[in-house]
Amino acid sequence: DIQMTQSPSTLSASVGDRVTITCRASQSISRWLAWYQQKPGRAPKLLIYEASSLESGVPSRFSGSGSGTEFTLTITSLQPDDFAIYFCQQYNTYGTFGQGTKVEIK
Amino acid sequence: QITLKESGPTLVKPTQTLTLACTFSGFSLTSYGVAVGWIRQPPGKALEWLALIYWDDDKRYSPSLKTRLTITKDTSTNQVVLTMTNMDPVDTATYYCAQTSKHSVYGTCFDYWGQGTLVTVSS
Repeated sequence: DIQMTQSPSTLSASVGDRVTITCRASQSISRWLAWYQQKPGRAPKLLIYEASSLESGVPSRFSGSGSGTEFTLTITSLQPDDFAIYFCQQYNTYGTFGQGTKVEIK
Repeated sequence: QITLKESGPTLVKPTQTLTLACTFSGFSLTSYGVAVGWIRQPPGKALEWLALIYWDDDKRYSPSLKTRLTITKDTSTNQVVLTMTNMDPVDTATYYCAQTSKHSVYGTCFDYWGQGTLVTVSS
């Protein structure tokens, strides 16, 4: 099975900060990587697919990069609505999720 | 507008079989490239991909749960049903169904999600 490891587990930041979350795969997944945002009591929301493609309707301050085994999600100029948990998911084979990164208010 | 909604029991006993239904609208599961899957999330924990069914009735299962899962579709009622046998307290989780048209050869991510349904396994 492909394992996904996110870092950090928790990130404290302020409104306006640039935030970067990393996701590493235990083996190459090409660019089959998605990022989701989840708020308490809500279903995940797809932000990025194929490592860097922005889902329709998602603000352009979200961006993704990477290929192979290392990927990043970047939020430029963090907004109040962005405080949430972020998950990566590989879908090269089935669909393993990372353990999540909580972005909290500093 | 694409919507999905999960339904089923909120409480099951250990060793019982769980049957969940996903009723959807706004798309057809006969359309090329479309798939519906199930994902679960134990309280306070990460998401776990469970199963997927494609428009052509191809099916994929999590390797670790394959022996316990069955996914089927009924295109006449716009439903996808997941059954999970031999339920255990560790299977307590919110179960989501989700739709996708974004997939690799062997996997998928998910565009649209249902609200989820919490299933508790307890005697």
